Amino acid sequence: AQRVTQPEKLLSVFKGAPVELKCNYSYSGSPELFWYVQYSRQRLQLLLRHISRESIKGFTADLNKGETSFHLKKPFAQEEDSAMYYCAIGGGSNYKLTFGKGTLLTVNP
Amino acid sequence: KAGVTQTPRYLIKTRGQQVTLSCSPISGHRSVSWYQQTPGQGLQFLFEYFSETQRNKGNFPGRFSGRQFSNSRSEMNVSTLELGDSALYLCASSWGTGGRGETQYFGPGTRLLVL
Repeated sequence: AQRVTQPEKLLSVFKGAPVELKCNYSYSGSPELFWYVQYSRQRLQLLLRHISRESIKGFTADLNKGETSFHLKKPFAQEEDSAMYYCAIGGGSNYKLTFGKGTLLTVNP
Repeated sequence: KAGVTQTPRYLIKTRGQQVTLSCSPISGHRSVSWYQQTPGQGLQFLFEYFSETQRNKGNFPGRFSGRQFSNSRSEMNVSTLELGDSALYLCASSWGTGGRGETQYFGPGTRLLVL
C-alpha cells in the first residue's frame, strides 16, 4: 500500500528564512511524487513533480529513494508562500493520488 | 482553457437523504477522479473513471458511487447521507493515459453539509 507522511501539521517561519517541508513515503515500485499547494480560498494546484526536476516559485524538491523522502525546500520564504502544502504519491498507471495530511506553512513578516 | 468545474459549490442536506455532485473536466481530459477532504482525514481518494469505466476505487462504503458520461463529465452520488459525510468533495481531471508525471487538475470542490 502507498502511504505519505508529512510529520509537521504546522510550520511557521519568518520572511527571508529558509523553509523545508518534510515528506516521507512508502511505495512498492517506482514512485511518482508531487507537491500540491492550496492558497487561502483557492483550489488545490500542482506546485511541482519530481519527474520534472523543476523549480517553481523558488521551491525545489529532491526525491531521495534511499530515505524515501521528497522534502520541499525554499531558501528564502516569502509571505505569499503562506498556504497548505500537500505531498502526494501515485499517478501513472495507478490512476490515483495518495495525499499526506498536509502542512500549513505560515510566513511571518 | 477552462479549468475543472464542479456544481453545486455548496449543498446542505439532512441525514438519510441522497445527493448528486457533478464535475466537468478540462476539455480533452478523459480521466476524472474524486476525493473527499475533511479536517480529520485529509484528502482521501474515492474513485477514478476513464472512458465511462471505473478503474480504481478507494476504501469507501457502497453508499458512495459514481459514473462518467461519454463526454467525460462525471457525477458522484452519496445515498443515505450520514453526518460524517460532511466534507469538501474534490474532482480532478487528467489525460488518463497513465504517462509518467501525469498531472491531475483540481476543481474548486463542492462543500457538503449534512445536518
